[in-house]
This record gives sequence, structure tokens and C-alpha cells, in this order.
Amino acid sequence: DAGVIQSPRHEVTEMGQEVTLRCKPISGHNSLFWYRQTMMRGLELLIYFNNNVPIDDSGMPEDRFSAKMPNASFSTLKIQPSEPRDSAVYFCASSLTFGQGGEKLFFGSGTQLSVL
Amino acid sequence: AQSVTQPDIHITVSEGASLELRCNYSYGATPYLFWYVQSPGQGLQLLLKYFSGDTLVQGIKGFEAEFKRSQSSFNLRKPSVHWSDAAEYFCLYNFNKFYFGSGTKLNVKP
Repeated sequence: DAGVIQSPRHEVTEMGQEVTLRCKPISGHNSLFWYRQTMMRGLELLIYFNNNVPIDDSGMPEDRFSAKMPNASFSTLKIQPSEPRDSAVYFCASSLTFGQGGEKLFFGSGTQLSVL
Repeated sequence: AQSVTQPDIHITVSEGASLELRCNYSYGATPYLFWYVQSPGQGLQLLLKYFSGDTLVQGIKGFEAEFKRSQSSFNLRKPSVHWSDAAEYFCLYNFNKFYFGSGTKLNVKP
């Protein structure tokens, strides 16, 4: 049973370039979350979707960040233009449902992003 | 506001020693509580969870945690630590949203 799949595992890019991170949630899971992890700020929730609809994007740091979920099996997080301060590990997670309490989060292995 | 506090940023224990990682939450109702572990370069893996019932829950890798409502705590314990337990541990509670603690990094001395 495949878990949450993220790609790429590592991304190195230059400042100003567009970066796209990809996530495939566990089949049958209705909720998807994007987190960013840095030493300074720990784990931050950027955005989450329920049934492909963005529910809360208040954690998205600025307009350079955007996320989409065109279908139940795929989501992207895009940074355009990227800046060095965006360097972090980005995690995608999914859960079976959301809002009813008690759901377990299943995490992908993360994308290590380095913006030079 | 709801929050989860892990007061210890770093902890170092000797291999074979017992371990307790602290977690406190602030919320009126009984939340759903979890402990996750993150090994270096990896995603987060669920260790155990508490929803209701028995306040002592058993998890994977020999870990257990005890929910204490009077202390608003959900501390993680292991009687004998192995070198492979060196990782970062996150306490999480879920009630309408997921709230993460800031994590505790565990180092294990040989």
C-alpha cells in the first residue's frame, strides 16, 4: 500500500526561478495538507484541502506561493519567484477525512528545497 | 488559543536509560492526541495516538504515552532507549485543526 508520495526529493534552484513541488496522497484520503519545516519556525501548516477544495490557506506566506489540487490524487505547491528564504523541507500529508477529530496524518518523505 | 507545548528542545540520554518526553496542551475539551517521530531526512511517522478510554496507550517501537487530564499532559515514555531512537519527536493534537508542538530532539549516547 503506497504512502504519500512527494517529488522531487531534492530541488536546488536559483533565486527567481519557479519551483513546483508535487504530491500524491494516499488513495481514498479526502484531505491533503502542505507543511513547511525550518529550523527557525519548526513545522508550519501552509494550506490544506478537503475534497480537493482549499479550506484554509492562511499559512501561505505570500502571493509567491500557490497550491492546487486538480483532482483527488494530485496536488502541487508552486513558488514563483523563489527566494533563498524559501529554503526548507516541504511535507505533504493526507488523512482519510477532516474536521471530525481523531484523523491520523500520513506524511510523505518531504522535498528538500534549496534556493541559491 | 489552542496550543501544544513541548518544553524540552533537546534531550540526551544514554542507551538503555529510560526516556520521558513532555507534552502539554491547552484546550478545554479532551483532544485527540498523537506522537510522531521524524528520523533524519525522513517524513513524520505515527508512534501512537489517544482518542478516549484507557489513558495509557501503547505504540510502536516500545513507546507508550499517558494522558493526564488534570495536568493537560500527554508525555511519551520508553523504558529503555536504543541508539536507533535518536530522532525528533512531535506531539500533536487534533480538534478541527492539527496543532503541532515545536518538537524535541533526542540524542542517544552510547
